[in-house]
Amino acid sequence: AQSVTQLDSQVPVFEEAPVELRCNYSSSVSVYLFWYVQYPNQGLQLLLKYLSGSTLVKGINGFEAEFNKSQTSFHLRKPSVHISDTAEYFCAVSDDTDKLIFGTGTRLQVFP
Amino acid sequence: DAGITQSPRYKITETGRQVTLMCHQTWSHSYMFWYRQDLGHGLRLIYYSAAADITDKGEVPDGYVVSRSKTENFPLTLESATRSQTSVYFCASSDLMNLSGNEQFFGPGTRLTVL
Repeated sequence: AQSVTQLDSQVPVFEEAPVELRCNYSSSVSVYLFWYVQYPNQGLQLLLKYLSGSTLVKGINGFEAEFNKSQTSFHLRKPSVHISDTAEYFCAVSDDTDKLIFGTGTRLQVFP
Repeated sequence: DAGITQSPRYKITETGRQVTLMCHQTWSHSYMFWYRQDLGHGLRLIYYSAAADITDKGEVPDGYVVSRSKTENFPLTLESATRSQTSVYFCASSDLMNLSGNEQFFGPGTRLTVL
């Protein structure tokens, strides 16, 4: 069965600093990978997704993620964060029954 | 308004009471989902529906009932609420399932407290 691990429950960072949010998955089949963002008191919205092709995926708001099959990782990065990036970030993988399996989330807190 | 809406946004109830959370989408998406969000667990799928009158269990279905008589509505009922069902509930919809790479669109959530 597929699973997703987000090792960091919280990531504090200063404004304009780079950030990496880590995501590892386990799967015995080809997977589709997603990053969703949840701003305070809102639902989730899609940041980016990997289906196939180029392993570097660019998303909204300057975020990008790299699919690494050998390390079974899909880490999310941004070279310079803003206060407005403060949110909860969820990594997800589609399982072999075509449902999304979410990680436990990483809270990104950007300080001025 | 176009999109996906949930009602109520906040609900406090007592143990043993029946509670229904409403979800409505205006896109005519085929698929609809109910998740619960709990600290340390992320989002877990409760039930999903592939079309009107077609529903299936997710990871944590016990204690919940769903129906889908119309494409646009997907209510979630807690038949006899328990304190362990205190959570934030999210409804989502999608045109296709995830192996097609389709995005799920989420509602704003319902915060349910069971006393």
